[in-house]
Amino acid sequence: ILNVEQSPQSLHVQEGDSTNFTCSFPSSNFYALHWYRWETAKSPEALFVMTLNGDEKKKGRISATLNTKEGYSYLYIKGSQPEDSATYLCALYNNNDMRFGAGTRLTVKP
Amino acid sequence: DSGVTQTPKHLITATGQRVTLRCSPRSGDLSVYWYQQSLDQGLQFLIQYYNGEERAKGNILERFSAQQFPDLHSELNLSSLELGDSALYFCASSPDRGARTDGYTFGSGTRLTVV
Repeated sequence: ILNVEQSPQSLHVQEGDSTNFTCSFPSSNFYALHWYRWETAKSPEALFVMTLNGDEKKKGRISATLNTKEGYSYLYIKGSQPEDSATYLCALYNNNDMRFGAGTRLTVKP
Repeated sequence: DSGVTQTPKHLITATGQRVTLRCSPRSGDLSVYWYQQSLDQGLQFLIQYYNGEERAKGNILERFSAQQFPDLHSELNLSSLELGDSALYFCASSPDRGARTDGYTFGSGTRLTVV
């Protein structure tokens, strides 16, 4: 299965800032791309599952897009809040294999 | 509470020992997945069971084994433990064979410390 790269590794923003980070992959040979939110001392929580080029998903202030042709997915957070502080994981699912990226650790300062 | 229950939450054991980690999937989910997260590493897939049968294998060591029982709970057995096996072990579940449309539901993990 494909290697998943996430950037940046970590990100510090002020409360109220909007931010985005990237998940990139070398090929579109997968069934689905997943985004998870992982708060410290908790378990990863599924945010979005996207399968088609051009897919856009939204949940509150968080949204994600998928571009399989150019090999990336963006996760956007509008008006970041301290409770958005977490590690955001991207994962590719293909043939019973879910490969996770190393994540982007977001810290939102009040 | 995600609905996936893992026990125990913490485990400290000595090298050479054997431990069993337990996972009960979310109600209705048939697939169980085991992941390992070591220090400074991402989630590494170990093994998947679907409705009692092994479905996929990742980077699981020969010293490790797992099974899924008729009531769908799963156990991960780790034997001849080494210091490097110290990690956070997650169990996740999903409704069907894979994750084409639904994300995984993760448990809170078992932190294993080998001393």
